[in-house]
Amino acid sequence: SQTIHQWPATLVQPVGSPLSLECTVEGTSNPNLYWYRQAAGRGLQLLFYSIGIDQISSEVPQNLSASRPQDRQFILSSKKLLLSDSGFYLCAWRRIGLAGGYTFGSGTRLTVV
Amino acid sequence: GESVGLHLPTLSVQEGDNSIINCAYSNSASDYFIWYKQESGKGPQFIIDIRSNMDKRQGQRVTVLLNKTVKHLSLQIAATQPGDSAVYFCAELVDTGFQKLVFGTGTRLLVSP
Repeated sequence: SQTIHQWPATLVQPVGSPLSLECTVEGTSNPNLYWYRQAAGRGLQLLFYSIGIDQISSEVPQNLSASRPQDRQFILSSKKLLLSDSGFYLCAWRRIGLAGGYTFGSGTRLTVV
Repeated sequence: GESVGLHLPTLSVQEGDNSIINCAYSNSASDYFIWYKQESGKGPQFIIDIRSNMDKRQGQRVTVLLNKTVKHLSLQIAATQPGDSAVYFCAELVDTGFQKLVFGTGTRLLVSP
């Protein structure tokens, strides 16, 4: 069966510090991968998506970047965090070529102080 | 632009009642819709989906209705239970050269015993 792992679950970082959130998928190959951000009490905003290794597309201009060094690994990064980067970050995957929704990870609660 | 929105930010019901959560979408070309349930501090979980060639689809205690004429989607939960308390999101699959899910802002369902 397919599983998605996301860590850490919670993170408190000072303004100006770097960020690295990791997401891995097991039990599937060549998935589409996504990073979403959810502000408190709000919906999900798509940040990045990837259709393959080193193939990253950004949906919105921001202080964040994403990388996919391996087929089932998706990393969200920042060189210098801003207060506005606080939020709930969710990784998701979807099988290529099959209709269907996304499967989400458990999320990372990031608080920038 | 594309958007998916909800009419009611919060819905309070009594245990045992039927709940109806509504959603409006704007992209008439979308042909696939999904409802997700998100409990506090967790990632969204797939509930039920529907394609645009259908008007209704039933699952266990849940029914999704699609009205393409007015671009309206609803989620009906029968015999609502306290465990149904969560935020519910509708999502629309949008194809802009790459298929991605666009989420609404969410409706919080509160079930009182």
